Amino acid sequence: DQQVKQNSPSLSVQEGRISILNCDYTNSMFDYFLWYKKYPAEGPTFLISISSIKDKNEDGRFTVFLNKSAKHLSLHIVPSQPGDSAVYFCAASEVPRRGGADGLTFGKGTHLIIQP
Amino acid sequence: DTGVSQDPRHKITKRGQNVTFRCDPISEHNRLYWYRQTLGQGPEFLTYFQNEAQLEKSRLLSDRFSAERPKGSFSTLEIQRTEQGDSAMYLCASSPPYSGGEADTQYFGPGTRLTVL
Repeated sequence: DQQVKQNSPSLSVQEGRISILNCDYTNSMFDYFLWYKKYPAEGPTFLISISSIKDKNEDGRFTVFLNKSAKHLSLHIVPSQPGDSAVYFCAASEVPRRGGADGLTFGKGTHLIIQP
Repeated sequence: DTGVSQDPRHKITKRGQNVTFRCDPISEHNRLYWYRQTLGQGPEFLTYFQNEAQLEKSRLLSDRFSAERPKGSFSTLEIQRTEQGDSAMYLCASSPPYSGGEADTQYFGPGTRLTVL
């Protein structure tokens, strides 16, 4: 069973417009959420994170929104740029145990394509 | 460059052979993770080290897999008697010492792509 779901395998957005990537989760013990960006043949690059005590976190063009009651988060990219074309992964973790022992649980990713 | 490094970047081997991968974490990070990523999937957690202690192992880590971090710095992941199903990208990540409160971010290396023929 998938605990983190990204239901859109791909998303195409025009340059300059807003990109919205969605993520749903089922594990109510998750309390820390992250977004990673991945280019082909490279490892995931950390973008932005949010703790469950917040409902919004912003960093430049990237904003993550968390709706705990709906178990849903989204990543907004404004304005979208050609370099944003990549696969975006949503990831989650539970409260760290034993000094931080938790691996992240990832979704399958959404391929974002920014069109000129 | 002070990011996470992995070696080799690519490995092609024949079924039944043993392979070993190396990961060098960010220097001040005492926590180290291994993940596996197959085509069309997100990374899947394999195992976790805090310093030299292996504290967590996923059920994905079969008996043919072993990971070590002998001095709490670099780590190795060995796969014995490789099978075609082991073909994947093997990713290493590290994070700083746990400071309490919310979890810390994990920083990933470029990965080792394994192809088993």
